[in-house]
Amino acid sequence: GDSVTQMEGPVTLSEEAFLTINCTYTATGYPSLFWYVQYPGEGLQLLLKATKADDKGSNKGFEATYRKETTSFHLEKGSVQVSDSAVYFCALGSPSGNTPLVFGKGTRLSVIA
Amino acid sequence: DVKVTQSSRYLVKRTGEKVFLECVQDMDHENMFWYRQDPGLGLRLIYFSYDVKMKEKGDIPEGYSVSREKKERFSLILESASTNQTSMYLCATSRTGLHEQYFGPGTRLTVT
Repeated sequence: GDSVTQMEGPVTLSEEAFLTINCTYTATGYPSLFWYVQYPGEGLQLLLKATKADDKGSNKGFEATYRKETTSFHLEKGSVQVSDSAVYFCALGSPSGNTPLVFGKGTRLSVIA
Repeated sequence: DVKVTQSSRYLVKRTGEKVFLECVQDMDHENMFWYRQDPGLGLRLIYFSYDVKMKEKGDIPEGYSVSREKKERFSLILESASTNQTSMYLCATSRTGLHEQYFGPGTRLTVT
């Protein structure tokens, strides 16, 4: 079945460092790909998405590119802030849209000043 | 903005009690979901519903049931709570097509 694998955390970075959180997937067809973020004490919220190969999703300085050839959707940010400390989830949606999202296990990011 | 509310942020119950977790959404979304979130295990889908009175089992339905009598409300029921159901419970909604889910703030349930 479909699955998502993301790098294990926790990841600890200094403010203004470059961030990469790896995400790879296994799926049939052409799924949609998502990154969700969960700030402390809150539910998840959609950060960005891409629906077809080579699409780049972006939001709040974060970017991720849908790479069909490597089945990857890595999350990047050029300069992290303390306020980016959160848990990040990669997720996959079936092409048909009629089955629930498949989530990775999440990666906790801590940014220190 | 979509608003998804959950009845309690924190809940403490005793083993064997019947527990109700309520989720209400205000955006007329067709689909609603219940997840539990545990350290190291990520999100696991318990049940989802794509219409009133309709439900589908997720990955870990054992020990849980659900009810959806109205479109805006989706309840998760623990018939007889056990300590291994201590967890964070998250409700989510989406429009037709099961992507782009909107989450509530979560209920942290402790069963003692």
